[in-house]
Order: sequence, then structure tokens, then C-alpha cells
Amino acid sequence: SAVISQKPSRDICQRGTSLTIQCQVDSQVTMMFWYRQQPGQSLTLIATANQGSEATYESGFVIDKFPISRPNLTFSTLTVSNMSPEDSSIYLCSVGAAYEQYFGPGTRLTVT
Amino acid sequence: TQLLEQSPQFLSIQEGENLTVYCNSSSVFSSLQWYRQEPGEGPVLLVTVVTGGEVKKLKRLTFQFGDARKDSSLHITAAQPGDTGLYLCAGKGTSQGNLIFGKGTKLSVKP
Repeated sequence: SAVISQKPSRDICQRGTSLTIQCQVDSQVTMMFWYRQQPGQSLTLIATANQGSEATYESGFVIDKFPISRPNLTFSTLTVSNMSPEDSSIYLCSVGAAYEQYFGPGTRLTVT
Repeated sequence: TQLLEQSPQFLSIQEGENLTVYCNSSSVFSSLQWYRQEPGEGPVLLVTVVTGGEVKKLKRLTFQFGDARKDSSLHITAAQPGDTGLYLCAGKGTSQGNLIFGKGTKLSVKP
């Protein structure tokens, strides 16, 4: 299994601002995933980030709103841009192979 | 679009009771995973089932993958307060595909 850490663990932000979330993995991985979990809801995939290429975004998510960086095989960032209260969610970083996927502890974002 | 329906959505039981959570789809999955998530934490992988009809046991938890690989169940025997949490099933259409999550079952076990 992989050990995944995220920073910050939580934040309260004002609407219109941006927040960058960091994800660090203790081993080199090819694919990293970013998920959103809205209050009381399940997980929705935002994008898949491969090192050395542009992230692949799921339907309903765009690069301008959620830019992602993947500078190396152990690190990725997700930025939530021009935030609104609807962006209040838990954002989760994940890594995995074919049959096993592991999650970070999440970043709890509240937008006021 | 592949969907996973989980039931029940909420479950509140007394310590010592048994329970079953279901995860159903009209689509075939190459594998299915069960996670438990506690407040303030990310989901923790409990088990992955791959073969149709497969049964896996993890202490008091029994996981089953349907013969047609379209559904799965999680059975907990003699539930304990420490079992409280959100249980999520997630499936992959292919081994290289993305995980599709069910909406989760929020379990509360009262002492």
C-alpha cells in the first residue's frame, strides 16, 4: 500500500479566492487521481494526473477551474480557482494500480 | 454510464446485530472494492473482489461478488461500535478504468 499525505488538512476561504492542495506519496506512482466528496455524498473523480502529460478531466470539470500540476512521480497539486460556496467539499488525492486504490486523508474546504 | 446503487443508505443498529449492505449495477465490473471511511479521514480499502462468485472474509466482515460480476454484498456479523462509518463500494469496468463509486451506506452501531 501507499502512504499519502495532503496539505492543508482543512481551510476556510473567501469566495473568489483560490486554494492549492498538495498531495505527497511515499513511493513513485504513475497515476494520481483527484476526487471531490461533497457533504454527505460519495466520491466524484475530478481528474487523472500522469507525470509528464496534461491531466485528463472528467465531464463537468475543467482545467481553468481545477488546474493540476504533476511535476514528478511522488507529488501533485490541485488548485480550486475562483471559489464559490458550491466548492465546499472534501478533496481527496488517490493513487492506485489495477485492483487497489488508496486515498489520502483529504482536504476539507469551506468557502464563505 | 456505469452506476452502482448501494442500499441501504443509512443503517442504525445495536451492538451485536448482524447486517448486510448491497451494491448493485446493471453493468459488469472487472473488479469491485469496498472501503470504509470515518469522519475526517479518507476512505480505507477493505477488500477487492475480482472473480464472479468470490467470497472473502476479513474477521467479522464477509464480502461476496455476484456470479455475473454485477453486484456485491458486505455482511457484518455481531457488529461493534468500532464498525461505525461510511461504507463505499466502487467498481472498475476494466482493470485500467477509473473507479466508479456508489453513494455509500452510513452505518451507526450503538453500544
